Amino acid sequence: ETGVTQTPRHLVMGMTNKKSLKCEQHLGHNAMYWYKQSAKKPLELMFVYNFKEQTENNSVPSRFSPECPNSSHLFLHLHTLQPEDSALYLCASSQYMGLAGGIYEQYFGPGTRLTVT
Amino acid sequence: QKEVEQNSGPLSVPEGAIASLNCTYSDRGSQSFFWYRQYSGKSPELIMSIYSNGDKEDGRFTAQLNKASQYVSLLIRDSQPSDSATYLCASNTDKLIFGTGTRLQVFP
Repeated sequence: ETGVTQTPRHLVMGMTNKKSLKCEQHLGHNAMYWYKQSAKKPLELMFVYNFKEQTENNSVPSRFSPECPNSSHLFLHLHTLQPEDSALYLCASSQYMGLAGGIYEQYFGPGTRLTVT
Repeated sequence: QKEVEQNSGPLSVPEGAIASLNCTYSDRGSQSFFWYRQYSGKSPELIMSIYSNGDKEDGRFTAQLNKASQYVSLLIRDSQPSDSATYLCASNTDKLIFGTGTRLQVFP
């Protein structure tokens, strides 16, 4: 266990459903991330929250909506997804030291395997 | 565009041999570098981080960094079948940039 938990671990949803992914970190970190991992592709950074503020949104479609109520919890709300959104969704956390210091090691949760039918 | 390049493999080595995994990066401003191991169906697991030029050893793992050549490598000594996985290299400026990973196969 890395200290980052994700639920659910597996999710099958139809294109008209609404669901949410949850992530919680117990490491005392101040930054949290959502990544998407598809077969044969590098990890794709979706969203970044530093000190609960969203600082990065890599042109992610609006059908993905993040929420970070505090520095320990992160959600990804999903609605009207497409079959190509099927992937492994990974949450990570790290300590962020600002632009001068950069980030230290990122620790990943176990991921949610999402299948959109 | 900032990139991290890795040979996708598979890299096949016999049990007990040294496995050498390589990575190049494009952004000279990268400050730190990380190696992750990912077993099939699992999430990436951090195994090494390196911030300065030279070698860093941790058990059977040695990370090597050459900033002038923009090159990072990971050596695994006494490779075991349990080391068979995909190894991801990542560089950091203001965010982590990941390579596509190298698949390592260690055969008995």
